[in-house]
Amino acid sequence: KAGVTQTPRYLIKTRGQQVTLSCSPISGHRSVSWYQQTPGQGLQFLFEYFSETQRNKGNFPGRFSGRQFSNSRSEMNVSTLELGDSALYLCASSLEGSTNEKLFFGSGTQLSVL
Amino acid sequence: AQKVTQAQTEISVVEKEDVTLDCVYETRDTTYYLFWYKQPPSGELVFLIRRNSFDEQNEISGRYSWNFQKSTSSFNFTITASQVVDSAVYFCALSEVQETSGSRLTFGEGTQLTVNP
Repeated sequence: KAGVTQTPRYLIKTRGQQVTLSCSPISGHRSVSWYQQTPGQGLQFLFEYFSETQRNKGNFPGRFSGRQFSNSRSEMNVSTLELGDSALYLCASSLEGSTNEKLFFGSGTQLSVL
Repeated sequence: AQKVTQAQTEISVVEKEDVTLDCVYETRDTTYYLFWYKQPPSGELVFLIRRNSFDEQNEISGRYSWNFQKSTSSFNFTITASQVVDSAVYFCALSEVQETSGSRLTFGEGTQLTVNP
């Protein structure tokens, strides 16, 4: 069974641009979560989607958005990029997204904002 | 607000030594779940264990063991006879039960474990 796939693996953008990251969950998983990992702030929750609906959102500005498609694949978008958005963005999937479920993570997209 | 603290930023040991990674959490909920994840250099977090707030039994899985103490809000992780392959960043995480809000983990800062040959 294929794991969680995130594309692209690396991305370099300049300030003010926007970026879209993609995540394909494990087959059969309907919940997708996104996390941002930085050296200063650590791992922080961005949002969680289930059946194309955002159920939970972290404390991030509106520049961060996401969506989920009917096949459970998810994208996240960051508009008007800032230097502080440089981070490893991790996607995770689970069957139902219940609070007691273990998450399966992808290898992440490393975003560098210059 | 919930919080997870891993006070040990980095630990370095020699192979075959035992090592304990500390995790202390804060939550106002009575029902919650605690997790440990391992992050190797490749980047993806790998699930190690889950424990619910009502189950204080310690658990052992091979060289890994976990000690959950509700009285001190701690969920510590011990690796016995460490190996070089155990080198990674280890994260403790907390999930509160929210009936309609879905999965949301609060992670600790992580502990970088280096096992030297």
